[in-house]
Amino acid sequence: IQLTQSPSFLSASVGDRVTITCRASQGISSFLAWYQQKPGKAPKLLIYASSTLQSGVPSRFSGSGSGTQFTLTISSLQPEDFATYYCQQLNTYPLFGPGTKVDIK
Amino acid sequence: EVQLVESGGGLVQPGRSLTLSCAASGFTFDNHAMHWVRQAPGKGLEWVSGISWDSATTGYADSVKGRFTISRDDGKNSLYLQMNSLRPEDTAFYYCARGAYPTIRGGYFDSWGQGTLVTVSS
Repeated sequence: IQLTQSPSFLSASVGDRVTITCRASQGISSFLAWYQQKPGKAPKLLIYASSTLQSGVPSRFSGSGSGTQFTLTISSLQPEDFATYYCQQLNTYPLFGPGTKVDIK
Repeated sequence: EVQLVESGGGLVQPGRSLTLSCAASGFTFDNHAMHWVRQAPGKGLEWVSGISWDSATTGYADSVKGRFTISRDDGKNSLYLQMNSLRPEDTAFYYCARGAYPTIRGGYFDSWGQGTLVTVSS
């Protein structure tokens, strides 16, 4: 299984709606998670099972999809959301996508 | 509070060995699979290895298979990664992560340590 993410880089403004796509080379049901990583920090789990929000994660984050196509949406980008986002498939041994960096426009 | 604290990183010459440790606290260690994830400077995340709750199942990325060995000591609430025949391309931050499930497959990583840096260079 291979994962791709698009875009690789995204420039956005505070308040923007942001969507990141993750595609799997074969079906993985809903075995997909999303992580946020800020520079110098460990990754943080945002969403698991494609659409379940991890406890404590703001509701502006949401996930959807199943099979081979998944999306992470941030409904209104906040200053603390500028980071790199990774998808991860768990249908087989864990595998991370290449990441999407969200930067300030 | 779940805490994962890695140790054992440092500078090592190519071909040599190094063992990383991860001390866990704040949860029932032997209820969870545990994993190692690495990140080369400026690069993305790479799953390295995982071990099931009962040590019965282990898994490795192709890039480290045959060179790295994962293990756990439930009595010490500790996870280990024995790294042999190290290569410059193994240079990375190594993170310990808790699996949400007892098995390697299917469980997302719900807690992470802060990482330890391994530099492989002569």
